[in-house]
Amino acid sequence: SQTIHQWPATLVQPVGSPLSLECTVEGTSNPNLYWYRQAAGRGLQLLFYSVGIGQISSEVPQNLSASRPQDRQFILSSKKLLLSDSGFYLCAWGSGLALTEAFFGQGTRLTVV
Amino acid sequence: AQSVTQLGSHVSVSEGALVLLRCNDSSSVPPYLFWYVQYPNQGLQLLLKYTTGATLVKGINGFEAEFKKSETSFHLTKPSAHMSDAAEYFCAVSARTGFQKLVFGTGTRLLVSP
Repeated sequence: SQTIHQWPATLVQPVGSPLSLECTVEGTSNPNLYWYRQAAGRGLQLLFYSVGIGQISSEVPQNLSASRPQDRQFILSSKKLLLSDSGFYLCAWGSGLALTEAFFGQGTRLTVV
Repeated sequence: AQSVTQLGSHVSVSEGALVLLRCNDSSSVPPYLFWYVQYPNQGLQLLLKYTTGATLVKGINGFEAEFKKSETSFHLTKPSAHMSDAAEYFCAVSARTGFQKLVFGTGTRLLVSP
């Protein structure tokens, strides 16, 4: 069966420090991968998605970047964190062109101080 | 661009009462529709989805939703609330054509009192 791993679960980082969040999927190949952010009191905002290795699409301009170095690995990064980057980050995967279901990781709670 | 609107950021019910969480989508062409549940500091779990066929769909934990094209609604219901239903619920939509991605509503927090 397919599983999705996301780490770390929680992270406290100072302003200006770098960030690297990792997401890996098991049990499927060539998944579509997604990074969402959930800010306090707001819904889920799609940040990036990827349809294949090295293919990244950004939904909103921001201080973050994403990379997909391997088929089932999706990384969210920042060179210098801002206070506004705080939030709950969720990785998800879906298969095929028809997104009839997306599966989510357990999320990373990022607090920038 | 697709969007969904969830009415009410918080809904409070008593244990055993009807749960009704509202969701309306803006699509002119019926999309795929979803309800997800999120427990504190956890990821999202799919409750149910409408893709094709019967417009009344049943999900896990006794929840169901009906797609009403005339109202562009996809409200989530459960006949009798349980304390364990307290969580945040998200309605989401995905287009049927082109590259598909989930667009979420702002969420509704369900509070269940004894």
